[in-house]
Amino acid sequence: GQQLNQSPQSMFIQEGEDVSMNCTSSSIFNTWLWYKQDPGEGPVLLIALYKAGELTSNGRLTAQFGITRKDSFLNISASIPSDVGIYFCAGLSAGSYQLTFGKGTKLSVIP
Amino acid sequence: NAGVTQTPKFQVLKTGQSMTLQCAQDMNHNSMYWYRQDPGMGLRLIYYSASEGTTDKGEVPNGYNVSRLNKREFSLRLESAAPSQTSVYFCASKAGSNTEAFFGQGTRLTVV
Repeated sequence: GQQLNQSPQSMFIQEGEDVSMNCTSSSIFNTWLWYKQDPGEGPVLLIALYKAGELTSNGRLTAQFGITRKDSFLNISASIPSDVGIYFCAGLSAGSYQLTFGKGTKLSVIP
Repeated sequence: NAGVTQTPKFQVLKTGQSMTLQCAQDMNHNSMYWYRQDPGMGLRLIYYSASEGTTDKGEVPNGYNVSRLNKREFSLRLESAAPSQTSVYFCASKAGSNTEAFFGQGTRLTVV
């Protein structure tokens, strides 16, 4: 089956620092999604990417759909304490109904 | 706008007991999903329903059954709960094949 490798697994950063995380796949995806999960909550969609090479921003968050369609990254600029949580990437193949998820990046922000 | 609603939020079961987790969405989405989340394992797909009237197995279907009751509702049943089914269960829905999924707040299930 399809596999998504998400890295890093966890990060500890100082408030104000920028953060970068990425996902790579063994196969091609047509859609890349980035979610954030707060403790005790369900994942919430941050950014959706539909086109190879696409670069999309949502406030301090920027995500890119890799040219090869096998990778994506998420950057968070000027981190703040409320950025704490687990970030998941997810990929969708053409015509597929099944999302494949990475195992998540746990972000901790030190004030 | 409620989105995806799951009930119950918490449940403790004894080994061998049965129960049904309920999920409803009010976004008129065609597809619905059940995932389980375990530490270090991310989200794993149990079953999904691409459209009303269809259901398919995901990555970890053993020990579970599902019912797509109508377009809004998709339930997950554990016939004989086992400690290995202790997990957090999430329901999600999507409008179509190439669209993003929206998640409920989860059901935290403990089997003792």
